[in-house]
Amino acid sequence: KNEVEQSPQNLTAQEGEFITINCSYSVGISALHWLQQHPGGGIVSLFMLSSGKKKHGRLIATINIQEKHSSLHITASHPRDSAVYICAVRFGNDMRFGAGTRLTVKP
Amino acid sequence: GAVVSQHPSWVICKSGTSVKIECRSLDFQATTMFWYRQFPKQSLMLMATSNEGSKATYEQGVEKDKFLINHASLTLSTLTVTSAHPEDSSFYICSAMNPQGTEAFFGQGTRLTVV
Repeated sequence: KNEVEQSPQNLTAQEGEFITINCSYSVGISALHWLQQHPGGGIVSLFMLSSGKKKHGRLIATINIQEKHSSLHITASHPRDSAVYICAVRFGNDMRFGAGTRLTVKP
Repeated sequence: GAVVSQHPSWVICKSGTSVKIECRSLDFQATTMFWYRQFPKQSLMLMATSNEGSKATYEQGVEKDKFLINHASLTLSTLTVTSAHPEDSSFYICSAMNPQGTEAFFGQGTRLTVV
């Protein structure tokens, strides 16, 4: 069983829709990252969370340490948000990655 | 904020040659850096942990003689793919830990194609 589970695996949305991507993990962590990977492969680090909630523009990330769960929300989605979103958890110096969620936003 | 720069962003090389990928922390000293590999349609897999001034720690199944890691300074780690083969074609990504050990920052990644 993967230590980091992401859902859904694939997601197609219409422009303007509110999007939620979920990440569950099975180990105690010191931090959780949300990464965005563009079609060319380039990685952008979106958030690093250890508790609570963070917001950046249209992106919101939350984490519930007790439930070992995090969500990434995108409000007013846009075709340029189309990418693979990866959840990564860090415990000590070790890091594990989810399989990613492929998001396609249609105009 | 802190930035990790990875170079090159893409490289094409011939079979049998060696390729070096650099990972630099631009505004902090990183005693620990990590190298990951991503196979097509799969998530990132840790290859090795690089500690400044000491030998890298490789994950099981990663050939240390093939993937040479050097972390000679607090701001630079390099990954050299030696005697590259087409099966080494992949996306390689580094990350660097801040000195407090509280945050990890990711490079943009390097797409290697071996022809």
